[in-house]
Amino acid sequence: GQNIDQPTEMTATEGAIVQINCTYQTSGFNGLFWYQQHAGEAPTFLSYNVLDGLEEKGRFSSFLSRSKGYSYLLLKELQMKDSASYLCAVIGSSNTGKLIFGQGTTLQVKP
Amino acid sequence: EAGVTQFPSHSVIEKGQTVTLRCDPISGHDNLYWYRRVMGKEIKFLLHFVKESKQDESGMPNNRFLAERTGGTYSTLKVQPAELEDSGVYFCASSQGLSRTQYFGPGTRLLVL
Repeated sequence: GQNIDQPTEMTATEGAIVQINCTYQTSGFNGLFWYQQHAGEAPTFLSYNVLDGLEEKGRFSSFLSRSKGYSYLLLKELQMKDSASYLCAVIGSSNTGKLIFGQGTTLQVKP
Repeated sequence: EAGVTQFPSHSVIEKGQTVTLRCDPISGHDNLYWYRRVMGKEIKFLLHFVKESKQDESGMPNNRFLAERTGGTYSTLKVQPAELEDSGVYFCASSQGLSRTQYFGPGTRLLVL
């Protein structure tokens, strides 16, 4: 079957660093996405990894290890506005762009 | 540039009624996707259009759901007749050409009573 696992909830302090992990088991792999979603809003694209390694984009970085079926999203210098749900999603088959999602990690940033 | 838009933002209907959801993708995006999130579960794929053709409809739950994309622009998703378990948030996303990055709309929150 296809399975994406990520923690349900995390709490961190403003100004700190937080790492949100995602493990996946899918039939086929054609990339992994991270999306941010504030309550009641559209999921917004954060990052896309298809090769192993770290991709850095401002305060956000995303890492992928295909051999381990593992990714993480690293958020630095946390701000209150980073409180949101973070969604890990995988494209399995190359024939379709269908995204397979995890349940999402709700991050609460405290002062 | 306008993002993906969806209408309505909320819909409350009674079991057995019909509801039609609309999605307008980003202009020029050939790929259009429908997803659904039911309470407490992850977002799940419903189907994928390339222009007006259905590329993959493996996620459609049953034949009460009908998706169309006439003319290859906006898409509609009709639920007829609606059942209680159809309640959830219906998301639309679009992507351009061979790009794998999908841009999501804000969703339609459907409540079937």
